[in-house]
Amino acid sequence: GAVVSQHPSRVICKSGTSVKIECRSLDFQATTMFWYRQFPKQSLMLMATSNEGSKATYEQGVEKDKFLINHASLTLSTLTVTSAHPEDSSFYICSAHDRLAGGETQYFGPGTRLLVL
Amino acid sequence: QKEVEQNSGPLSVPEGAIASLNCTYSDRGSQSFFWYRQYSGKSPELIMSIYSNGDQEDGRFTAQLNKASQYVSLLIRDSQPSDSATYLCAVNNNYGQNFVFGPGTRLSVLP
Repeated sequence: GAVVSQHPSRVICKSGTSVKIECRSLDFQATTMFWYRQFPKQSLMLMATSNEGSKATYEQGVEKDKFLINHASLTLSTLTVTSAHPEDSSFYICSAHDRLAGGETQYFGPGTRLLVL
Repeated sequence: QKEVEQNSGPLSVPEGAIASLNCTYSDRGSQSFFWYRQYSGKSPELIMSIYSNGDQEDGRFTAQLNKASQYVSLLIRDSQPSDSATYLCAVNNNYGQNFVFGPGTRLSVLP
């Protein structure tokens, strides 16, 4: 299957700082990428849909000015958590979708665990 | 009504038994259905996808889809302790490009 990477895998930061998470599709062009957040023992929560070359679409309740998404190329999307606070501590997972291949499957990255002190 | 529903579990089965995981969805226009497995602390990994009514088999896994009843299930034969994980059902409603995930069912295979 397709491979999606995320970097970093784990980050610890101080409250008030910004953190950037990268999501890359390694062997296919991802026209669409998705960003999820998962709190302990809870299900995935879709935060936003990132389309290459256009603005991201945010889910209700997700602040677009706090969670900045950039999908500048067909293989890279970034999520920046601005002015992070302890309540932003979570497991952030991206997935990528290759519509050009004709399939509907989403392939997940390994996730980034964020801890805000 | 939630769009995709799953029994949260935990579902416990003995090693070697068949584990049956169920999922129902509300959007009758849904076309694509997926099962993902998520180990604790890890991201989901795709197990199977199914698009048409009936059964689809892949090794020890069988996905079953019944669009009339709006349910999709996953059977795991000869369950192993390594199958212990949370299983997520995902449905693509084709209205957009995103999936709708169920809350997941936690499976525990007892040795």
